[in-house]
Amino acid sequence: KAGVTQTPRYLIKTRGQQVTLSCSPISGHRSVSWYQQTPGQGLQFLFEYFSETQRNKGNFPGRFSGRQFSNSRSEMNVSTLELGDSALYLCASRDSGATPYNEQFFGPGTRLTVL
Amino acid sequence: KQEVTQIPAALSVPEGENLVLNCSFTDSAIYNLQWFRQDPGKGLTSLLLIQSSQREQTSGRLNASLDKSSGRSTLYIAASQPGDSATYLCAVLYNNDMRFGAGTRLTVKP
Repeated sequence: KAGVTQTPRYLIKTRGQQVTLSCSPISGHRSVSWYQQTPGQGLQFLFEYFSETQRNKGNFPGRFSGRQFSNSRSEMNVSTLELGDSALYLCASRDSGATPYNEQFFGPGTRLTVL
Repeated sequence: KQEVTQIPAALSVPEGENLVLNCSFTDSAIYNLQWFRQDPGKGLTSLLLIQSSQREQTSGRLNASLDKSSGRSTLYIAASQPGDSATYLCAVLYNNDMRFGAGTRLTVKP
């Protein structure tokens, strides 16, 4: 099975712009979670989607949003970019049905730099 | 508050040594705990997953234990190799999200 894939791998944007990141989960996995990783804050949970619905949400401003499609692929959008949004954005998928107990598998990440 | 702490922050050992990485968590109402490895600039590779009802899991040279009552998990690496050099993260799954520790940066010297 192919692993979790994320596109693009690298992005450079300027303040005020918006960006969309894409994640394709492992085939058969319906749960997709997004995380932000920075040197100062470490890994922080953004949100989780399951069957096209946001199931959980971390403590991030409304500029961060996401969606999931019927094929389980997910996109994350950040509007009005700020310098502090520069980070590695990681996507993870899980073979999750009614329970969230299963192992998470991570993609390689998208490195976003905001200038 | 659900906090996850990893000690030490960095560790350097000679090749062949056995070592233990520590993870502690403040809220014991966990669903599971997962250990990951991260190489510089890369994503996370899952190493071991321990469900809340389990006490330990083993994979090759790795053994992870879980003590919910004391809020602790350890990752034991036997006969360390230079290829084990990476940052090791523990992550605790709670009802609403997964909380990560800051990681232990491991260097294994040849």
